[in-house]
Amino acid sequence: GQSLEQPSEVTAVEGAIVQINCTYQTSGFYGLSWYQQHDGGAPTFLSYNALDGLEETGRFSSFLSRSDSYGYLLLQELQMKDSASYFCAVGVAGLNAGNMLTFGGGTRLMVKP
Amino acid sequence: ETGVTQTPRHLVMGMTNKKSLKCEQHLGHNAMYWYKQSAKKPLELMFVYNFKEQTENNSVPSRFSPECPNSSHLFLHLHTLQPEDSALYLCASSQDPGLAGFTGEQFFGPGTRLTVL
Repeated sequence: GQSLEQPSEVTAVEGAIVQINCTYQTSGFYGLSWYQQHDGGAPTFLSYNALDGLEETGRFSSFLSRSDSYGYLLLQELQMKDSASYFCAVGVAGLNAGNMLTFGGGTRLMVKP
Repeated sequence: ETGVTQTPRHLVMGMTNKKSLKCEQHLGHNAMYWYKQSAKKPLELMFVYNFKEQTENNSVPSRFSPECPNSSHLFLHLHTLQPEDSALYLCASSQDPGLAGFTGEQFFGPGTRLTVL
């Protein structure tokens, strides 16, 4: 089976930098994804890391270390609109199973003025 | 319509009712998924369909019955549900990794908020 651990809540101020960590235990690991979900909204895809290292997309960056079974999402220049839940998800191998993902419990980020 | 749509957005049903949730994707994808999202719990994968064939059933009780008539439509038939089944039910779609490689990206619909009385 798969298991993922991430902090349940993080609070930061506008303009700051915040890092949300994710550790995982899984078999058949393909890569690590991150999703954002605002209250009442649908999860939306942010990033995917298949290889070790840092991927940068605007204010958001994502990091993966396969040897440590660890990754993080880095949010820079925080804005109020970044207040949301952030989920890490591992892609797992599955015969004819599409992009099958197992999600962590989510980290609720609160950005304060 | 664009992206992934779900109907109804809200549903209240009794334990003896039968209802169906509908999902439609307008993205040309080949894989579709049902998830359950309860308060303070991770998104739980329920079913996976790839090219209309069910490839994953994550030990879901038989009172949930999926149907995938084609690659664009996915249904979740509900009958004799329990109050603990109240949750947000999310549908998602993705491209098949055999065509585009594993991308870790799924596109989610807005969900159906289900309340079982």
